[in-house]
Amino acid sequence: GAGVSQSPSNKVTEKGKDVELRCDPISGHTALYWYRQSLGQGLEFLIYFQGNSAPDKSGLPSDRFSAERTGGSVSTLTIQRTQQEDSAVYLCASRQDWGSYNEQFFGPGTRLTVL
Amino acid sequence: AQSVTQLDSQVPVFEEAPVELRCNYSSSVSVYLFWYVQYPNQGLQLLLKYLSGSTLVKGINGFEAEFNKSQTSFHLRKPSVHISDTAEYFCAVSDQRGSQGNLIFGKGTKLSVKP
Repeated sequence: GAGVSQSPSNKVTEKGKDVELRCDPISGHTALYWYRQSLGQGLEFLIYFQGNSAPDKSGLPSDRFSAERTGGSVSTLTIQRTQQEDSAVYLCASRQDWGSYNEQFFGPGTRLTVL
Repeated sequence: AQSVTQLDSQVPVFEEAPVELRCNYSSSVSVYLFWYVQYPNQGLQLLLKYLSGSTLVKGINGFEAEFNKSQTSFHLRKPSVHISDTAEYFCAVSDQRGSQGNLIFGKGTKLSVKP
């Protein structure tokens, strides 16, 4: 009965480095979402997974951002060649995707700081 | 496309006073409506949601919200606030069509409850 977990909780990196952020959704939740929370932009949708496929990547801000999901469970958000404007809290959420509308449960987030 | 406007970025209020946090949305399609709360250094937690039926919905911690379709509003209210209600509150919408369910958030309202 654990909730959504994310790792690391904090990540400090240098500009130009690649980073990977991990999300472990609630077991059995087929839908998974990534959001970004930053001071300037508020909470933004990044990408949606249904199982292992990503039918909506429309929120990814640039081609430096990519995400994958394996086994219908764990998801990884990768940011290549990080920039200072990538500094934000990255939130993951999961949801049961059957029947009537079901609530999204959010993880605690990964705070990314790009120096 | 949908958008959400939270009219007040900060709301200071004294303990035991009533509070209303305002939310208006814009959408060309029917949407579900949500209020989330984020306590300091924590993730997002669902306060309440409107899916259909009665326009007055009750949530956790004594909060309630009323859906007004003609005014495209979903204001959050509490008749008597506590110090522990100090947090940031986010209004969000989700397209009812299909099963994707990603959330579009407002910029948030910081509620500060003073003794």
